[in-house]
Amino acid sequence: EVQLVESGGGSIQPGGSLRLSCAASGFNVSNSYMHWVRQPPGKGLEWVSVLKSGGATEYADSVKGRFSISRDNSRNMLYLRISSLRGEDTAIYYCAREWRNTFGSWGQGTLVTVSS
Amino acid sequence: QSALTQPASVSGSPGQSITISCTGTNTDVGGFHLVSWFQQYPGKAPKLIIFEVSNRPSGVPDRFSASKSGNTASLTISGLQAEDEADYYCCSYTLTTTHVFGSGTKVTVL
Repeated sequence: EVQLVESGGGSIQPGGSLRLSCAASGFNVSNSYMHWVRQPPGKGLEWVSVLKSGGATEYADSVKGRFSISRDNSRNMLYLRISSLRGEDTAIYYCAREWRNTFGSWGQGTLVTVSS
Repeated sequence: QSALTQPASVSGSPGQSITISCTGTNTDVGGFHLVSWFQQYPGKAPKLIIFEVSNRPSGVPDRFSASKSGNTASLTISGLQAEDEADYYCCSYTLTTTHVFGSGTKVTVL
């Protein structure tokens, strides 16, 4: 069974940094396209980043240069380093596994709150 | 990349059918056969209910159906049930940012 469990969220001041983690089980992150999607409280979903099986990465314009996606194949983990944080980065961050060109499996999310 | 356009809310009585639209452009919805739909309950992660325009994953009831015409995709819920009250999001592959979501629609069962 595919399972994704995010962690690492919390309250952080503007300009700060965090590393979000996503523990995967039931499949290998190394041969999957893995995404981060975020959702500000009470608002809609926003695609953030993808790490493709071959290692290529892509980012939404809103986070380009500030966020970095990576993985640890030996631990079957996906990460998102988020830095230079702004208020508008406040959101629940979900990791998701791509399936049939969309988001087939989701974690429960981890909340990041950016506030002074 | 702007969000795809969905109505903010749609409502219906139990047993009725409702349709949610999702309008994009020829660089996303209209350009690919890769529209998907998600159901999200409050405080929960989204759940995939439609992939590749009109296909249902295993376990999704067949009262959920979907289609696409030009730059607009649609999700229809037939025989509306109380448990269908949730937020629904469309999503499309796009030339620019790999995926773009719709603005979301709150479905209310009267």
